[in-house]
Amino acid sequence: GAGVSQTPSNKVTEKGKYVELRCDPISGHTALYWYRQSLGQGPEFLIYFQGTGAADDSGLPNDRFFAVRPEGSVSTLKIQRTERGDSAVYLCASSLSGTGAEQYFGPGTRLTVT
Amino acid sequence: SQQGEEDPQALSIQEGENATMNCSYKTSINNLQWYRQNSGRGLVHLILIRSNEREKHSGRLRVTLDTSKKSSSLLITASRAADTASYFCATDDPQKLVFGQGTRLTINP
Repeated sequence: GAGVSQTPSNKVTEKGKYVELRCDPISGHTALYWYRQSLGQGPEFLIYFQGTGAADDSGLPNDRFFAVRPEGSVSTLKIQRTERGDSAVYLCASSLSGTGAEQYFGPGTRLTVT
Repeated sequence: SQQGEEDPQALSIQEGENATMNCSYKTSINNLQWYRQNSGRGLVHLILIRSNEREKHSGRLRVTLDTSKKSSSLLITASRAADTASYFCATDDPQKLVFGQGTRLTINP
């Protein structure tokens, strides 16, 4: 079956611009996660959705970052007024239940802010 | 911030040899997972070990967990060129995963 998909695969934007990153989870997975990974580091948690609601957004670095999942499936991560420090690979994952379950990762979106 | 630390940060071995990677973490866990990542993109789940388990096997993979020492190890036996990747341990917190910095494994033909 289809895995987690993310679009675009690469995004180059200028400093100060707004970007949206999309994640399409595995069908039927209620839990959806966003992580950010910088070069040479492990992924760092950003936000977790259970259904339509953000159950934990403690990893969002500041109020320029926002994510939605209005119908409990596709999610969009939105970054306003991008900064060069936002450059990273943004990974999305989904899981069946959330608590302690195996997470299935998408291929990621590589964001470059120039 | 990242909970775990992997050791070593990089490992280079000959094909056919065994590779051992270690992970230490700081807080109590319900389970610990190992993931593999190729070319800096999506992660692939390898194995999950629960806090009440001490050892688990999956094919050529063997994972151990010592909760008293807050550490885990991943052993890959009879390594292959295709095993070249970065390997991460991740602990639950409790729903989100907290990853270490990873071990970069290179298998030389």
